[in-house]
Amino acid sequence: GEEVAQTPKHLVRGEGQKAKLYCAPIKGHSYVFWYQQVLKNEFKFLISFQNENVFDETGMPKERFSAKCLPNSPCSLEIQATKLEDSAVYFCASSQSGAEAFFGQGTRLTVV
Amino acid sequence: QKEVEQDPGPLSVPEGAIVSLNCTYSNSAFQYFMWYRQYSRKGPELLMYTYSSGNKEDGRFTAQVDKSSKYISLFIRDSQPSDSATYLCAILSGGYNKLIFGAGTRLAVHP
Repeated sequence: GEEVAQTPKHLVRGEGQKAKLYCAPIKGHSYVFWYQQVLKNEFKFLISFQNENVFDETGMPKERFSAKCLPNSPCSLEIQATKLEDSAVYFCASSQSGAEAFFGQGTRLTVV
Repeated sequence: QKEVEQDPGPLSVPEGAIVSLNCTYSNSAFQYFMWYRQYSRKGPELLMYTYSSGNKEDGRFTAQVDKSSKYISLFIRDSQPSDSATYLCAILSGGYNKLIFGAGTRLAVHP
């Protein structure tokens, strides 16, 4: 597709439940980035992929967060045992070269 | 020290004003500089990106990079109420593995 598609738009989970978010990058783009945006607009980098390989995962809280980008499937970001502080908007972006990155509309996760 | 610093504002200007938005960065090795616009409850929209130093113009928008002072700017001419949004500067890290964002500046253009 011509835009980054993120699903679902909204997700509500009880504390301790699992959350799974999906991202379909723009066709032909080999880089995928995940970001978390909390209330004050700060974008926190989580993880990036080059094709299906993890490029940089320095931002991931590894004990509960995991992500994958498998061939012919949307990329996914999974949070096991969600906590209240995981409430945020999660954005995915894709890029052909690594430089120009195009963002999806985000998934708003609310943990109650 | 943050790698990218941006004044969060808010910045309020009258319609028609020239707006100047700025960021500073710490790593002289950075080469790619981006400006995004984000409307409320939407994803960031790429406005412009610049490689290395110099200016780039697109309609009412001009992006400027001064690598000697590690300073990047976005100028908006003839600002419109529809320009009211949060503007984020972003820099591609040296390994091309992530974008590093500034805090974002909230801009309000009033009629």
